[in-house]
Amino acid sequence: EAQVTQNPRYLITVTGKKLTVTCSQNMNHEYMSWYRQDPGLGLRQIYYSMNVEVTDKGDVPEGYKVSRKEKRNFPLILESPSPNQTSLYFCASSSLAGVVFFGPGTRLTVL
Amino acid sequence: DAKTTQPPSMDCAEGRAANLPCNHSTISGNEYVYWYRQIHSQGPQYIIHGLKNNETNEMASLIITEDRKSSTLILPHATLRDTAVYYCIVRVAGGGYNKLIFGAGTRLAVHP
Repeated sequence: EAQVTQNPRYLITVTGKKLTVTCSQNMNHEYMSWYRQDPGLGLRQIYYSMNVEVTDKGDVPEGYKVSRKEKRNFPLILESPSPNQTSLYFCASSSLAGVVFFGPGTRLTVL
Repeated sequence: DAKTTQPPSMDCAEGRAANLPCNHSTISGNEYVYWYRQIHSQGPQYIIHGLKNNETNEMASLIITEDRKSSTLILPHATLRDTAVYYCIVRVAGGGYNKLIFGAGTRLAVHP
């Protein structure tokens, strides 16, 4: 089944403890991105990647890192999480100019 | 900022057609209209998209006005499972520009 997967789905952590949220797609898509969703602010793009080793900042990149070493994977890294990064995170992928497909989401709480 | 305007909420009776409007008066000639929905806090789900012709798939129909300044998503026989937030998005095609700009959407409540 064609899909975007994320892990973990739920995570509670403490301020400053590095964490990684994984994202993987099995559709051979070139384009992958991360969004965060917050009440009243909607979905906002954090980072995106147009292909392996090509990444760029989205609208709200502060406090996040990404890497794209393989086409199928696009992990989101929070080196020193803070409470304002408590949010619902979505990974997405598409072929260039194709339909964008979203993962199921990761609910992160930073205490 | 989102380039679309949608009503914040709508109601629909189960089994009836749900017609969700969207205004995109500043749409450019190379921009498509996309519709997604989000059920509870799940990942946004693609529904349908179009450029200028009406489109239909197994989920819905999309009617785009001739001047392309507005469109309507039609769920022909709404069920309780169609209760969700529906997002209308305009998006440039090509050039690898795959960013989606989400507005507030329309919260559709389907009731028995």
